[in-house]
Amino acid sequence: EAQVTQNPRYLITVTGKKLTVTCSQNMNHEYMSWYRQDPGLGLRQIYYSMNVEVTDKGDVPEGYKVSRKEKRNFPLILESPSPNQTSLYFCASSLQGRGTEAFFGQGTRLTVV
Amino acid sequence: KNQVEQSPQSLIILEGKNCTLQCNYTVSPFSNLRWYKQDTGRGPVSLTIMTFSENTKSNGRYTATLDADTKQSSLHITASQLSDSASYICVVISNTGGFKTIFGAGTRLFVKA
Repeated sequence: EAQVTQNPRYLITVTGKKLTVTCSQNMNHEYMSWYRQDPGLGLRQIYYSMNVEVTDKGDVPEGYKVSRKEKRNFPLILESPSPNQTSLYFCASSLQGRGTEAFFGQGTRLTVV
Repeated sequence: KNQVEQSPQSLIILEGKNCTLQCNYTVSPFSNLRWYKQDTGRGPVSLTIMTFSENTKSNGRYTATLDADTKQSSLHITASQLSDSASYICVVISNTGGFKTIFGAGTRLFVKA
């Protein structure tokens, strides 16, 4: 089954403790991206990757890092999480970025206390 | 500033009725426009994708229209069902040197029996 898998689905952590949210897709898609969704603000793009070893900032990249060492995986790293990063995070992938359907993961609800 | 605005913010309709959701955007340069359906707590699911040259696209009971001159799009839902209760998100892709994804805040649709 074609899918985008995020882990964990839920995470509560403390300020400053490094964490990684994993994202994996099994569709051989070149394009992957991360978003955060906050009430009243909609989804905002954090980082995206056009292909292996190619990443670029989205609209809200501060406080986040990503890597794309292999095509299927695109982890999101929070080196020193802060409470304002409490949010619902989604990973997505598509065959190409511009005109093809994007598939979203189930989401990761992160709480930083 | 690149923006996507959706209206109404929320909408309640009776099962079996039709409805139309609106999306206005100021994104430039424009690559394509997408409508997504997002059930509570789940990742968005793509409904339609339209490029500059496409005026209308259908997906079952969902029909999206695009007027690239006025930078407006609409999503029409025919013969609504209880399962249509969800958030509907308008997304515009901008083909800058890389490219950016700009999300609307969504319209929350409630379909009542």
